[in-house]
Amino acid sequence: GDSVTQMEGPVTLSEEAFLTINCTYTATGYPSLFWYVQYPGEGLQLLLKATKADDKGSNKGFEATYRKETTSFHLEKGSVQVSDSAVYFCALNRDDKIIFGKGTRLHILP
Amino acid sequence: EPEVTQTPSHQVTQMGQEVILRCVPISNHLYFYWYRQILGQKVEFLVSFYNNEISEKSEIFDDQFSVERPDGSNFTLKIRSTKLEDSAMYFCASRNPGTGTEKLLFGSGTQLSVL
Repeated sequence: GDSVTQMEGPVTLSEEAFLTINCTYTATGYPSLFWYVQYPGEGLQLLLKATKADDKGSNKGFEATYRKETTSFHLEKGSVQVSDSAVYFCALNRDDKIIFGKGTRLHILP
Repeated sequence: EPEVTQTPSHQVTQMGQEVILRCVPISNHLYFYWYRQILGQKVEFLVSFYNNEISEKSEIFDDQFSVERPDGSNFTLKIRSTKLEDSAMYFCASRNPGTGTEKLLFGSGTQLSVL
């Protein structure tokens, strides 16, 4: 069945460092791909999405490109802030469901 | 901005006890969902609910689980006889008809601990 695999955390970076969180997927067809973020004490929030191959989703300085050839959707940010500390989930949609990865906890040190 | 509200934020129960997790979806949403995340595992789909009936359920959602929309505003998940392996974070979500899964709004979750 469809699945999402993302890099294990926690990931700890210093402020202003470059961030990459790897995500690969297995799916039949061409699902939409998502990154969700969960800040402490809050719900899962959609961070960005891409609906077809070569689409780039972006929001709040984060970017991810839908790569069909490598079945990947890696999350990147050029300069992270302390406020980016959260858990990040890569996901895809299948019918009326969202299929999530395990999540990657990100700690940004000042 | 409207929010999906879940209560309680943390529930502790003894094995074999019944628990009810409560959710107040966005007021004009008509599709409702429960997901859960066991510590260190993936967030997993449990069940979807529309028009007062279950639309789809996963293999996790066995006879121990039930959902209900008792009064037009709340959406509840009941676990009849909790097991240790039910310990997880449970997320409620809702969306409008005519919108896709990317429009799902999630609550902040209820952490269920079964002792």
